[in-house]
Amino acid sequence: DAGVIQSPRHEVTEMGQEVTLRCKPISGHDYLFWYRQTMMRGLELLIYFNNNVPIDDSGMPEDRFSAKMPNASFSTLKIQPSEPRDSAVYFCASGGGNNEQFFGPGTRLTVL
Amino acid sequence: GEDVEQSLFLSVREGDSSVINCTYTDSSSTYLYWYKQEPGAGLQLLTYIFSNMDMKQDQRLTVLLNKKDKHLSLRIADTQTGDSAIYFCAESISGTASKLTFGTGTRLQVTL
Repeated sequence: DAGVIQSPRHEVTEMGQEVTLRCKPISGHDYLFWYRQTMMRGLELLIYFNNNVPIDDSGMPEDRFSAKMPNASFSTLKIQPSEPRDSAVYFCASGGGNNEQFFGPGTRLTVL
Repeated sequence: GEDVEQSLFLSVREGDSSVINCTYTDSSSTYLYWYKQEPGAGLQLLTYIFSNMDMKQDQRLTVLLNKKDKHLSLRIADTQTGDSAIYFCAESISGTASKLTFGTGTRLQVTL
């Protein structure tokens, strides 16, 4: 298995633009998590899904952020409109029933 | 509520043992984890311990759990330069790959 796949690995955009981050979880995993990592706030859980259903989105910072999981093999995190303070590394992780979360390599987002 | 704290930085000489400490506040934690993050990469699970255990050893890694003091530690024996990374502890309340609360991370620097 290739592990959790995220795209793009790097994204540079201008303030106000829409940004879409993509994630392909490990096949067979029924949990999917989106995290954001910054120097100031560390690692924050934004939202997680179980069997494609959002379970807890209390970490989503505001209405500009939205996440979807249309099927078991794909999820997106969208920011519209983006702002400079959204600059961070965004990680996707997936997990099965054995207490482990497997992280993707992350997407480094820079909003100018 | 959930709160996980770690010291920010640790420097050790190659060949020495490293001890990374973590404190948590939620006494209903079921699993406690140690993750490693190398530069430019996602988090990688190193080991985890059930809350009803006091110690777990896995090759060079030893995890100690003091439930009374809500203190978790990770000891790395014979520390190598490849161990240089950020180490995160995390707790899970409901287990089974569900929501984790991560600490702030400890940056381990291994010097020659």
